[in-house]
Amino acid sequence: DTEVTQTPKHLVMGMTNKKSLKCEQHMGHRAMYWYKQKAKKPPELMFVYSYEKLSINESVPSRFSPECPNSSLLNLHLHALQPEDSALYLCASSQEASGRGLGFQETQYFGPGTRLLVL
Amino acid sequence: AQSVTQPDIHITVSEGASLELRCNYSYGATPYLFWYVQSPGQGLQLLLKYFSGDTLVQGIKGFEAEFKRSQSSFNLRKPSVHWSDAAEYFCAVGLFSGGYNKLIFGAGTRLAVHP
Repeated sequence: DTEVTQTPKHLVMGMTNKKSLKCEQHMGHRAMYWYKQKAKKPPELMFVYSYEKLSINESVPSRFSPECPNSSLLNLHLHALQPEDSALYLCASSQEASGRGLGFQETQYFGPGTRLLVL
Repeated sequence: AQSVTQPDIHITVSEGASLELRCNYSYGATPYLFWYVQSPGQGLQLLLKYFSGDTLVQGIKGFEAEFKRSQSSFNLRKPSVHWSDAAEYFCAVGLFSGGYNKLIFGAGTRLAVHP
């Protein structure tokens, strides 16, 4: 089973709201990722968690706050977003995040995404 | 710098016709290569991957891809396209940077299938 689940599927929020996106996997993966995807563009990496620790932050604004409560869950807390933050937010997981040359450990499996609209 | 190029932004084929989607990469070492497919409004589904060994790899849904080191290419093929194959296709390179693996995506190729 290579399933990554995300909730909610759709989210509409105002610029003063606080909301959270959730991601879950039960594959025993130790690396989890958040991506942002604008329309007609490829996904852009935002954050990488490895063994529940934040390992990579791709210079993401602080209005996005990731959290990894345990090895199966990944949250993305949203606060004071801007309309340009409207996008599809994708979660992914992989067995490992730090390369050991085996390749298969770093294969990323994606969830269905949360489509976010900021008004 | 590492990069992935998908030269075709949009491709249209007839149902039952063969398909080839092009992908070229720029990477110094032996790359890990992936093809993902994304249906409208959906997440990315892994079609196939190449790490080493046989340069012709088989994936799901009848897709295959061939790694050609001399051409820095990893083109995706399917002998007979079905209407359900209409989607966005992303080629990606896995690279090791800053102690962690990252996926570098191409811009994507949008496939339309005529009945």
